[in-house]
Amino acid sequence: KAGVTQTPRYLIKTRGQQVTLSCSPISGHRSVSWYQQTPGQGLQFLFEYFSETQRNKGNFPGRFSGRQFSNSRSEMNVSTLELGDSALYLCASRVSGEGTDTQYFGPGTRLTVL
Amino acid sequence: DQQVKQNSPSLSVQEGRISILNCDYTNSMFDYFLWYKKYPAEGPTFLISISSIKDKNEDGRFTVFLNKSAKHLSLHIVPSQPGDSAVYFCAASAYSGAGSYQLTFGKGTKLSVIP
Repeated sequence: KAGVTQTPRYLIKTRGQQVTLSCSPISGHRSVSWYQQTPGQGLQFLFEYFSETQRNKGNFPGRFSGRQFSNSRSEMNVSTLELGDSALYLCASRVSGEGTDTQYFGPGTRLTVL
Repeated sequence: DQQVKQNSPSLSVQEGRISILNCDYTNSMFDYFLWYKKYPAEGPTFLISISSIKDKNEDGRFTVFLNKSAKHLSLHIVPSQPGDSAVYFCAASAYSGAGSYQLTFGKGTKLSVIP
């Protein structure tokens, strides 16, 4: 079974621009979560989508948004980019999101904001 | 407020010896715990997990211990191998509403296994 895939793997943008990242979950997985990883900060939860609905959101500004499509693929958008948005953005999928449901991560998209 | 803490940013261990990675948490609502391993330029990969109703779970060279009263868990790797060199993240799961369980991650411990 194919793993979680993320595109693109690397992105370079300038301040003020916007960016869209894409995530394809493991087949059969309906829950997709997004995380931001910066040096020394671990993985910070952005949001989770399940059946095309956002059901959980982390403590990030409204510039960070996402959506999920009927095939469970998800996109994350960051508008008005700031230098501090430079990070590794990770997508993770799981079957449904119950307590013992393991999350499986994609390789991430490395975003650099200049 | 950091709910999951990995107080050691790095750890060096000789090949063949035991590696012990520690994790502390503050939220008593956490009921499921996981360890992930991460190599540079890759996403985290699931390693091992433990439910709050257990105090130990073993999988090959990896054992996770949970001490609920101390709100502490640890990952033991025996014997350590050079390929184990990576960043290890501790994660804890709690119900966050709307049918969802959310993971909270520690900041990671970089393990270096010296040949």
